[in-house]
Amino acid sequence: DQQVKQNSPSLSVQEGRISILNCDYTNSMFDYFLWYKKYPAEGPTFLISISSIKDKNEDGRFTVFLNKSAKHLSLHIVPSQPGDSAVYFCAASGRASGTYKYIFGTGTRLKVLA
Amino acid sequence: GAVVSQHPSRVICKSGTSVKIECRSLDFQATTMFWYRQFPKQSLMLMATSNEGSKATYEQGVEKDKFLINHASLTLSTLTVTSAHPEDSSFYICSALRGGEKLFFGSGTQLSVL
Repeated sequence: DQQVKQNSPSLSVQEGRISILNCDYTNSMFDYFLWYKKYPAEGPTFLISISSIKDKNEDGRFTVFLNKSAKHLSLHIVPSQPGDSAVYFCAASGRASGTYKYIFGTGTRLKVLA
Repeated sequence: GAVVSQHPSRVICKSGTSVKIECRSLDFQATTMFWYRQFPKQSLMLMATSNEGSKATYEQGVEKDKFLINHASLTLSTLTVTSAHPEDSSFYICSALRGGEKLFFGSGTQLSVL
């Protein structure tokens, strides 16, 4: 049972435009969400996170939106740059329930076209 | 930023041998570390949660006798793949939890079993 889903395996966006990556989760106990970026044969690098008490968190070109009622979060990258081309994973955990296990989605491969 | 060092980055071994992978948190103490496995074009699959000073907690379907995890100090966790077989060939990634909040990942280990 996939508790965290990224339904789009890939996404192509023109340089300078907005990239929107989506993530859905099923477990209502999740209260902390993160986005990671990963290049081939490397470990993921942390991008941005959001706690369930917020609905938006912004850091430079990256903004994460959380819709708790829909159990949905999204990552916006504006403007998109060719260096953003990578696989993006969303992850969720339930800190309030005492678990620090992070469940990852299947990833979305973003390609930013120059 | 926090740094997690994973070594070796690549290992090729013969079937039947054992391989040890090290994961070190270089600038923070990590009571909890995680080990993941990633197959090509797939998500990060959590294998086990490693807690300093206690036994690791393995995910369902992961053989604890095959994937030995030791977390003897607050900065070091090791994963030993015992009696490796070709089907164990994969990309293994560790992560360390800092402040009970953020995960920082090692750069991964590509294991190839001949």
